[in-house]
Amino acid sequence: AQSVAQPEDQVNVAEGNPLTVKCTYSVSGNPYLFWYVQYPNRGLQFLLKYITGDNLVKGSYGFEAEFNKSQTSFHLKKPSALVSDSALYFCAVRLNTGFQKLVFGTGTRLLVSP
Amino acid sequence: DTEVTQTPKHLVMGMTNKKSLKCEQHMGHRAMYWYKQKAKKPPELMFVYSYEKLSINESVPSRFSPECPNSSLLNLHLHALQPEDSALYLCASSQVGLAAQETQYFGPGTRLLVL
Repeated sequence: AQSVAQPEDQVNVAEGNPLTVKCTYSVSGNPYLFWYVQYPNRGLQFLLKYITGDNLVKGSYGFEAEFNKSQTSFHLKKPSALVSDSALYFCAVRLNTGFQKLVFGTGTRLLVSP
Repeated sequence: DTEVTQTPKHLVMGMTNKKSLKCEQHMGHRAMYWYKQKAKKPPELMFVYSYEKLSINESVPSRFSPECPNSSLLNLHLHALQPEDSALYLCASSQVGLAAQETQYFGPGTRLLVL
């Protein structure tokens, strides 16, 4: 089955430090991978996606993600965390079924302390 | 503009009520989606409309009835819901075509409480 896994329920980082939120995938064929962020009581906001091409994808709010085919990973990164980055982060994969179906990971809560 | 709007923001209903959730987008997207999200869980796909036709129904109970009256609007009609249906209901939209174009943009959601 095609899926993504987020191994960490929560990531804690101090403001100004780099952050990484991990995601691994299990997909047959070429993966289409996404990162979304959700603030409390809000919908999901699109951050970035990998379809093809450069393995380093740059997205909104200074976030970037590195696609690593050999490790089947798509980790989200930011060089310098902000307190306002504290939120729930979801990795997702588009299934290669011909339909527009996203499957989400379980989510990682990022807590940035002042 | 990547805005998807949803109304109402909050809804409280009894198990015998009939209510509707509404979603609207003006990005020219031809695919629209309903998701259900329980607290601290990922969104779960319920329905997908593509060119105003239902293309995916994830075995959702019939007490949830989707409707896509035109390319900009998506409704979710609710009837005889159960307390376990209480959740955040998210609407999303995307272009249709190449997979690279199908980024889904989400609305803020409707928080539903069934008493």
